[in-house]
Amino acid sequence: AQTVTQSQPEMSVQEAETVTLSCTYDTSESDYYLFWYKQPPSRQMILVIRQEAYKQQNATENRFSVNFQKAAKSFSLKISDSQLGDAAMYFCAYRSVDSGYALNFGKGTSLLVTP
Amino acid sequence: DTAVSQTPKYLVTQMGNDKSIKCEQNLGHDTMYWYKQDSKKFLKIMFSYNNKELIINETVPNRFSPKSPDKAHLNLHINSLELGDSAVYFCASSRAEAMNTEAFFGQGTRLTVV
Repeated sequence: AQTVTQSQPEMSVQEAETVTLSCTYDTSESDYYLFWYKQPPSRQMILVIRQEAYKQQNATENRFSVNFQKAAKSFSLKISDSQLGDAAMYFCAYRSVDSGYALNFGKGTSLLVTP
Repeated sequence: DTAVSQTPKYLVTQMGNDKSIKCEQNLGHDTMYWYKQDSKKFLKIMFSYNNKELIINETVPNRFSPKSPDKAHLNLHINSLELGDSAVYFCASSRAEAMNTEAFFGQGTRLTVV
């Protein structure tokens, strides 16, 4: 079974600064997909960014980028120029055929953004 | 148009009751899921249906029974509710073969058992 570990239960960043959320995973598969989802207080799950394991290039979406280290099984999320609206729970997730197409989530990191 | 909608949004009920949560998606996806988010915010897969066939059934009590009348609907029925069932339940959908694409989530149902 695949496991996803987020070792930071809480993180804090000042507005306009950069923060990195860590995620590691354990798998024996070679083909899989990784995601970061954001859950603000509204409870809605929002996709932030995705990465295919076969792609070496790190994914980027505006202020959000990942550092994907396949050999180390690491998938960290970097948020640049942090904004108050970035405050939320962030979940790292793994998906593959063996996971039955379902997302396996880490326990989440609560991000606080201070003015 | 809401992509994945689940009802009700809030549900308060007494121990021992039977309740259902409904989920519908209008995205044409072939796979639907139920997740449980506990009080510590941990999201765990409960069930996954692909084209109305059950493909994932995690260690969930028999009191939980999913029903998929068609590809667009996956309802969750819970019998003999217990205090420990209190949680937020999320329905989601995706296209199974396009695993790099987004899974869309409903807004969640907060179930409180008293």
